[in-house]
Amino acid sequence: NTGVTQTPKFRILKIGQSMTLQCTQDMNHNYMYWYRQDPGMGLKLIYYSVGAGITDKGEVPNGYNVSRSTTEDFPLRLELAAPSQTSVYFCASSLVENEQFFGPGTRLTVL
Amino acid sequence: KNEVEQSPQNLTAQEGEFITINCSYSVGISALHWLQQHPGGGIVSLFMLSSGKKKHGRLIATINIQEKHSSLHITASHPRDSAVYICAVSRWGAQKLVFGQGTRLTINP
Repeated sequence: NTGVTQTPKFRILKIGQSMTLQCTQDMNHNYMYWYRQDPGMGLKLIYYSVGAGITDKGEVPNGYNVSRSTTEDFPLRLELAAPSQTSVYFCASSLVENEQFFGPGTRLTVL
Repeated sequence: KNEVEQSPQNLTAQEGEFITINCSYSVGISALHWLQQHPGGGIVSLFMLSSGKKKHGRLIATINIQEKHSSLHITASHPRDSAVYICAVSRWGAQKLVFGQGTRLTINP
């Protein structure tokens, strides 16, 4: 297993541009999560999914969308990038009631 | 007030010292997690516990459910232990984690 992979590692966007952050896991985990981490702040949950076809909002979902068409993939979509979305984004996965495994993160800057 | 509070926010110590990081929470939980974030940014789960104590190498995690408090201890600290340590809790009936702000630990040689 390679665990949780995220692409890209780094990205610079202009205000108003769109992009998709990719997340894939090969551990057959049913739960997947997207977090953002702002400098000096704790992780905040954006969206999560308890299985293919099921997604739900976390603490800070505004400006983002997700889909879960397969167990393995959980992409995060930014439709109209804003400077407030400058952050490091982490994807994670877990089995029910178990530890979460994190991807390496995507550092996004919106100028 | 945050649901999960960690102390201290920053900790600097000399190699070999015994380290304690504290975590207090204000909600009912099903489990508490300790995570380590390396200087390069990667996040690794260290412990998940719901009662008592767990040990892995030089790391020990304890939890007191009645007092809503957990501690992470590092024995014989080493510069490679320098990282941000994050406490997180999962509430009953919810798989979502609530995170503390983290404790930045620096171990000097």
